[in-house]
Amino acid sequence: ETGVTQSPTHLIKTRGQQVTLRCSSQSGHNTVSWYQQALGQGPQFIFQYYREEENGRGNFPPRFSGLQFPNYSSELNVNALELDDSALYLCASSLSAGNTIYFGEGSWLTVV
Amino acid sequence: GQQVMQIPQYQHVQEGEDFTTYCNSSTTLSNIQWYKQRPGGHPVFLIQLVKSGEVKKQKRLTFQFGEAKKNSSLHITATQTTDVGTYFCAGPGAGNNRKLIWGLGTSLAVNP
Repeated sequence: ETGVTQSPTHLIKTRGQQVTLRCSSQSGHNTVSWYQQALGQGPQFIFQYYREEENGRGNFPPRFSGLQFPNYSSELNVNALELDDSALYLCASSLSAGNTIYFGEGSWLTVV
Repeated sequence: GQQVMQIPQYQHVQEGEDFTTYCNSSTTLSNIQWYKQRPGGHPVFLIQLVKSGEVKKQKRLTFQFGEAKKNSSLHITATQTTDVGTYFCAGPGAGNNRKLIWGLGTSLAVNP
């Protein structure tokens, strides 16, 4: 157990809908990053939050947005879902950026 | 941009054979981290190497960090079916956010 929890674990959405995924980071970790992992691929960095501010973003469109709360938990929001958004979404927390990250179990999103 | 490359992409071995995966960064890294992802699971942290030329062992796994801190390797001695999975290396990027740059992973299959 890494102490990082994500919800929901699985969900199915229709193209065009919006989705919110949630993550509780490990106690004491102020940095949260989100990754998208398609089947057979490595994790693709979406963005990173440090103390409620986004401080890094990967090559994802603006319809991917996030929040980090004062307790360092986080949300990933995806608007106007597309079929290609179907993937495992991983949240990871770390004591600080660049250090070891601990992943949650992930949220499997299927867009139909 | 900064890249981390891993080879081979796939490796198929007989149980008991050795296995090695190599990781090369386009830039010097402050540390290198290794993760293992079992099929259907999420990446799990294995180890972090920080010092130039560092070698660390975990039972049958041996991790090395190159002298120039640009390459690393993971060697598994006498593979077992429990070693099946994808092994990723990752290192902090050069930007201020120090987000992790991931290799594409090496998928290991072990025949019993």
